[in-house]
Amino acid sequence: QQQVKQSPQSLIVQKGGISIINCAYENTAFDYFPWYQQFPGKGPALLIAIRPDVSEKKEGRFTISFNKSAKQFSLHIMDSQPGDSATYFCAATLGNFNKFYFGSGTKLNVKP
Amino acid sequence: ETGVTQTPRHLVMGMTNKKSLKCEQHLGHNAMYWYKQSAKKPLELMFVYNFKEQTENNSVPSRFSPECPNSSHLFLHLHTLQPEDSALYLCASSLGRDPSSYEQYFGPGTRLTVT
Repeated sequence: QQQVKQSPQSLIVQKGGISIINCAYENTAFDYFPWYQQFPGKGPALLIAIRPDVSEKKEGRFTISFNKSAKQFSLHIMDSQPGDSATYFCAATLGNFNKFYFGSGTKLNVKP
Repeated sequence: ETGVTQTPRHLVMGMTNKKSLKCEQHLGHNAMYWYKQSAKKPLELMFVYNFKEQTENNSVPSRFSPECPNSSHLFLHLHTLQPEDSALYLCASSLGRDPSSYEQYFGPGTRLTVT
């Protein structure tokens, strides 16, 4: 059973547009929700993360919106750039890397 | 570069071969991990080592055998693999085990093809 469901599978956005990737979870015990960015030929790298007691976190052009009641969280990339083209993974954890669950990934293509 | 290196970057092996994947980190981290990444599927945690001791084995078939001789090196020994084992194998490391306090650093992966 997939612990974290991610959508869409792929996304095409024009340069300057907003990219939105959504994730949903069932286990209310999850206590940390990171997002990872992966470029071709590279491993995933931590992008931004949020705890469930916060509804929004912003770092530069990247924002996580968190809806605890709906058990959903999303990544918004404002003013999307071609350099943002990568695969993005959401994740959820139970306080330990041994209990770390990834979504299936969203491949983002930002067109110039 | 993240400080986590993996060799080889690409590997093609037959189902009867024996090969090993190597991971190395010089970040002073205490925990190391093996993940399997298949197309359009979530990353699957395979093994976790903390201070050289295996603390997690997520029901991985015995044809995958990990080894952690010290905190800086991690190996994944492969034998009698199946074509469905073809995937990107990622190594990662972290200073501690709590994701909210410590970042996990990934290597670039080994692209494995089983023929």
